[in-house]
Amino acid sequence: DVKVTQSSRYLVKRTGEKVFLECVQDMDHENMFWYRQDPGLGLRLIYFSYDVKMKEKGDIPEGYSVSREKKERFSLILESASTNQTSMYLCASTSGLATNEKLFFGSGTQLSVL
Amino acid sequence: DQQVKQNSPSLSVQEGRISILNCDYTNSMFDYFLWYKKYPAEGPTFLISISSIKDKNEDGRFTVFLNKSAKHLSLHIVPSQPGDSAVYFCAASGLYGNKLVFGAGTILRVKS
Repeated sequence: DVKVTQSSRYLVKRTGEKVFLECVQDMDHENMFWYRQDPGLGLRLIYFSYDVKMKEKGDIPEGYSVSREKKERFSLILESASTNQTSMYLCASTSGLATNEKLFFGSGTQLSVL
Repeated sequence: DQQVKQNSPSLSVQEGRISILNCDYTNSMFDYFLWYKKYPAEGPTFLISISSIKDKNEDGRFTVFLNKSAKHLSLHIVPSQPGDSAVYFCAASGLYGNKLVFGAGTILRVKS
C-alpha cells in the first residue's frame, strides 16, 4: 500500500512565523500535491509538482511556496503565517498524469495560526 | 465559482437503507469523476470512479451514476452501514490533466 506521511498531525504557530509542512511518500510517485481543506469549501489545490525541482501553482498559491528537492519529499512553506491560513493541510501523491489517476492522501496537518 | 458542487452539506440515513449523495458540475470538459471518503483525523481515500463514456459503475455496495446531459452524478450506497458515516467528496478531472477539482463535501451519518 502507498504510504503518504505528513510529519505533524497538529501545529500551532503565531502570526508572522515561517512554517514548514513536510510530506513524504514511499511509492516512488512522480506527482505530489498540497491541498487545504476548509468547511464549505472542500479541498483546494495550493501547489503541485510533477518532478523533482519542478512546481506549479494550483488554485490558491498566494502566501505559500513549495520545495521538492527529492522525489519522495514535498514541503509546503508558509512564508509569514496569517490567521486565514488556519486550516487542514493535506498532501497527496499519484504515479501518472492520466485523468483517471487516483490520489493517495496523507492523514493531514491541522494548522492553527494565532 | 465552484465548478463541482455538492449542495447537501449533510445527510442522515437509517442503517440498511439507501444513501444517495449528489454532485453537480458546470464544465462539460471534465471527463473523469471520482468519489473520496474521509473519516475524521484521516486523509481522504479513493472510493469509486466513473469515466464520462459510461453512465454507471458499480463496486459492491457502491454505485456511481453519471448523467452527462444534466452534468450530474450521484453515489448510491446500499445497504448503508454505520461504518459508512464519513465526509464524501466528489471530484472531477480532465480540464487540467490529472488535477482534481473537488466539491465541498457531504457529511453522511448512518444511524443504527
